[in-house]
Amino acid sequence: DAGVTQSPTHLIKTRGQQVTLRCSPKSGHDTVSWYQQALGQGPQFIFQYYEEEERQRGNFPDRFSGHQFPNYSSELNVNALLLGDSALYLCASSFTQNLGVSNEQFFGPGTRLTVL
Amino acid sequence: QQQVKQSPQSLIVQKGGISIINCAYENTAFDYFPWYQQFPGKGPALLIAIRPDVSEKKEGRFTISFNKSAKQFSLHIMDSQPGDSATYFCAAIAGRRALTFGSGTRLQVQP
Repeated sequence: DAGVTQSPTHLIKTRGQQVTLRCSPKSGHDTVSWYQQALGQGPQFIFQYYEEEERQRGNFPDRFSGHQFPNYSSELNVNALLLGDSALYLCASSFTQNLGVSNEQFFGPGTRLTVL
Repeated sequence: QQQVKQSPQSLIVQKGGISIINCAYENTAFDYFPWYQQFPGKGPALLIAIRPDVSEKKEGRFTISFNKSAKQFSLHIMDSQPGDSATYFCAAIAGRRALTFGSGTRLQVQP
């Protein structure tokens, strides 16, 4: 049973460029959440996708956008990259079952984005 | 507004000792409290989790103690080993919302 996978592992971009990160959830999971983790800090929530729609969003500008596909995989897009976007981008998957019940979120290895 | 406060920021423990990390939360809607372990360059790995209707949960050398009235919970690592050296994050979540993480504790277990 494959866990959460992310690609690419590392990425180097320059300011102003655009980037797309990809995530495949754990088998049986239907919900994908994206987090940004700056060096030495805890992960910060970007947004969550369920049933191919953005279900909730954290305090991130609309330069950050995403998509979920019918097979539950997801993409994170960041436009007009800034130096401050350099971070580890984490994807977490979970299964949305009973309403109001929190479920375990499993994280992928992350994509290390460096903006020069 | 930081909704989950974690302490200490760093911790040094001798091999075989007990590591204790504390967290406090503000949002009474939180209903699930996981702990994650993260090694450098890796994603966080779910270690153990608890729901507020339980005061303690133990899995191997790892125990969560939960105090609902004080809005506090802690992770105890018994018989700490050098392989436990990592950064530990407490987190909390309400319903189907996003995880809110603490600031992390860097644990170093000395041989």
